[in-house]
Formats: sequence, structure tokens, C-alpha cells
Amino acid sequence: GNSVTQMEGPVTLSEEAFLTINCTYTATGYPSLFWYVQYPGEGLQLLLKATKADDKGSNKGFEATYRKETTSFHLEKGSVQVSDSAVYFCALSANRGSTLGRLYFGRGTQLTVWP
Amino acid sequence: GAVVSQHPSRVICKSGTSVKIECRSLDFQATTMFWYRQFPKKSLMLMATSNEGSKATYEQGVEKDKFLINHASLTLSTLTVTSAHPEDSSFYICSAPQFGLAGGNNEQFFGPGTRLTVL
Repeated sequence: GNSVTQMEGPVTLSEEAFLTINCTYTATGYPSLFWYVQYPGEGLQLLLKATKADDKGSNKGFEATYRKETTSFHLEKGSVQVSDSAVYFCALSANRGSTLGRLYFGRGTQLTVWP
Repeated sequence: GAVVSQHPSRVICKSGTSVKIECRSLDFQATTMFWYRQFPKKSLMLMATSNEGSKATYEQGVEKDKFLINHASLTLSTLTVTSAHPEDSSFYICSAPQFGLAGGNNEQFFGPGTRLTVL
């Protein structure tokens, strides 16, 4: 079946520190992979996505590479800011079958960045 | 990107009453919408897939008589929590896929969520 395992939080960093949030998945077929971000009091927003192996998604300084050989999609940012404090969700979407389009989420990682 | 709204944003009700939550796609049409429940410090749990013009598809373990879903039009889906109890208190979030259709590559647009508290 389809599932996502995400690094447990919370993660606390100082401003300008390097960020990695690990995400691995199991899936039937070849899913699309996503990172969503949820700022306090708001809904989820798409941060980046990758739709096939070796694709790199990037946005706002965040990057993640679709690694089929390790079934991973780790989120990285070279220098975090206080404004990056939020909950980050890794997700996959099946590309075929009856589950087409539904998202499978990891448990979310709370990131807090201190000035 | 596209906008999905939810109403109300917060609701407090007494045990035994029913609560309706609306999810609207504001600038696009959505044949499919999804309803999630988010527990504190836990991930989102997909409750059901709402299909315009047909019955909703519920995930295993979700009571369809408890959580009534009606996809009334291409821009509106409603979730009604019937005979609510304190254990139904949660954060409910809806989403609609890009282009209105569920596709693996399609981004999903999320509503801001509805905080339900049942006393």
C-alpha cells in the first residue's frame, strides 16, 4: 500500500541554520511526492513537488529530490529564517488506480526557528 | 493559486446537535473534493472523497451516517457532523484538486480548516 514516514519533531533551530526533514515512502507504482507547509492558524499550502524519479522540487529556498532507489524525499534548506516556523507535511499521491489523486500524509514535523 | 474557503472557521456546539461545514472552491470547479480530520500533533486523516453528482466514498472506519457529505454543486461540498459528541471535536479540513479533477500530479488546494468543539 501507500504510506509516508516522516521525521518526528519538533525541530528547533537558530536562524541561518541548515534544515533537513527526512521523509521516506512506500507506494505501489510511481507516485508524485509533495511537501506541504501549514503556518499557524492557516490551511496547508503546497511548498514543492516532484512527479518522477530524480526530479528536484524547489521553492523559497527549500529543496527536495525524488530518490526512487532510497524511496526518499527529504526536505532541505540551507539557511532557515524565523518566518519558516511552521508544520511541514510530506505527502504522496498515487498516479493510478482507485486511489488516484488522494494524498497520503506523513505525521507532520513542527519547525521552530529562533532569532 | 486557486482558493478554497471553509465556513465556519470555528464552531462550538452542544453534545447531540448537528453541525454543517461548508467547503467552496472560489474560482474553479471541482468534481472531487476531499475531507480530512486533523488531530492535535497528528497528521491529516482522510475521511472521505466527495464526488459531485454521486455518493461520497468513505475511508475505512469512518461512519457515513455520522459524517454526512453532500457535493451539491461543482463549487460546494458540505460535511455534516450529526449528533456530535465531544470525541468529534477536531480540526476539519477540505481540499480540492487542481483542475477540479483528482490526478496524481495535480496540486491540491486546501481550505483554512474548521475548528469544531463539542461541549
